Amino acid sequence: AQSVTQLDSHVSVSEGTPVLLRCNYSSSYSPSLFWYVQHPNKGLQLLLKYTSAATLVKGINGFEAEFKKSETSFHLTKPSAHMSDAAEYFCVVSDWGTGNQFYFGTGTSLTVIP
Amino acid sequence: SQTIHQWPATLVQPVGSPLSLECTVEGTSNPNLYWYRQAAGRGLQLLFYSVGIGQISSEVPQNLSASRPQDRQFILSSKKLLLSDSGFYLCAWGGGNTEAFFGQGTRLTVV
Repeated sequence: AQSVTQLDSHVSVSEGTPVLLRCNYSSSYSPSLFWYVQHPNKGLQLLLKYTSAATLVKGINGFEAEFKKSETSFHLTKPSAHMSDAAEYFCVVSDWGTGNQFYFGTGTSLTVIP
Repeated sequence: SQTIHQWPATLVQPVGSPLSLECTVEGTSNPNLYWYRQAAGRGLQLLFYSVGIGQISSEVPQNLSASRPQDRQFILSSKKLLLSDSGFYLCAWGGGNTEAFFGQGTRLTVV
């Protein structure tokens, strides 16, 4: 069965410091993995995706994530937080071998302190 | 390019009233379509997904239903709303080995 665990429900960082949002997954097949960002009362915007190409994936707004199969992890990082990064972040796995569905983590709320 | 339209953006409905939320997709054919609900402070719960016209799969038993009358139209409905139906509803599409694309969401408040 597929599942996603976001290890932190809330993360607070100071502006200009690094961001780390953690995600672990379980999957029976070779998964596709995604990170989305959601600002209040808005839809979800794709930050980046891994689909079995390079394991280090670069996304928008300076974010990147590394797929580590041995650790079943897909952590999201950014070298320097900006105030506009404050939002909810979702890690998502999809397993096309078991039907076209997306499985969401419960989200991590990122607060950026000025 | 593909776009997804979801409306209305906000909705306040009394308990016991019907519901109809509509979602349409442009720029793609035969998409997989999804309805999610997001309760306050929680993640996304998959309610329904559809791989084709008239094909609806339900993930959880509930007071809601979904229909797909056309290839790129997905409707979420209820005959009688409950207080517990309040939440943020998101429509999405995805197909093949690609990510999900989301609408802007509908904030439903049942009073």
